[in-house]
Amino acid sequence: EAQVTQNPRYLITVTGKKLTVTCSQNMNHEYMSWYRQDPGLGLRQIYYSMNVEVTDKGDVPEGYKVSRKEKRNFPLILESPSPNQTSLYFCAAWPAGSSNQPQHFGDGTRLSIL
Amino acid sequence: AQSVTQLGSHVSVSEGALVLLRCNYSSSVPPYLFWYVQYPNQGLQLLLKYTTGATLVKGINGFEAEFKKSETSFHLTKPSAHMSDAAEYFCAVTPTSGTYKYIFGTGTRLKVLA
Repeated sequence: EAQVTQNPRYLITVTGKKLTVTCSQNMNHEYMSWYRQDPGLGLRQIYYSMNVEVTDKGDVPEGYKVSRKEKRNFPLILESPSPNQTSLYFCAAWPAGSSNQPQHFGDGTRLSIL
Repeated sequence: AQSVTQLGSHVSVSEGALVLLRCNYSSSVPPYLFWYVQYPNQGLQLLLKYTTGATLVKGINGFEAEFKKSETSFHLTKPSAHMSDAAEYFCAVTPTSGTYKYIFGTGTRLKVLA
């Protein structure tokens, strides 16, 4: 079964404590992306990756880092989280070749930064 | 720059009534268009997409959407709402060439009344 798996699903933490949200896909897709979802703002892209070791900023990259050392994994790193990063985060993966391919989404990670 | 506008952040319909969720895009060149659905505590799932060809697109769960270039619209409809349709719906666009960047609308939450 095609899957995008995010961990953890829920996390409550404190300002400044580094955290990593993992994302793994089993579809061998080249493209992966991180989004944050906030009420009234829809999904906003944080970072995306076109393949291993190739990443680029989305619309709201400040305060986040990513890496793509393996094709299947695309972790999101918050080195010094702040309360304004409290949000619902989604990872997505889709194949290269054409931009008409839909994205496959994980089930989301709800982060609360106190 | 491309943008997506979803009119109505909340829509309520009675069970059995017509569902109409509106999506307009702004782009100098018609993009690829998608509708996604998000059920509570889940990620986004593809409902349908328009790439080329027939402008009336049928998707899962009885939904369909019509691409109207002259109106730059891609409204989602379903003839008869079911309680299980209650969810949040997102319209998204991506350019037909160049960057593989998806732009999401702000979402419409559909409530179905018994």
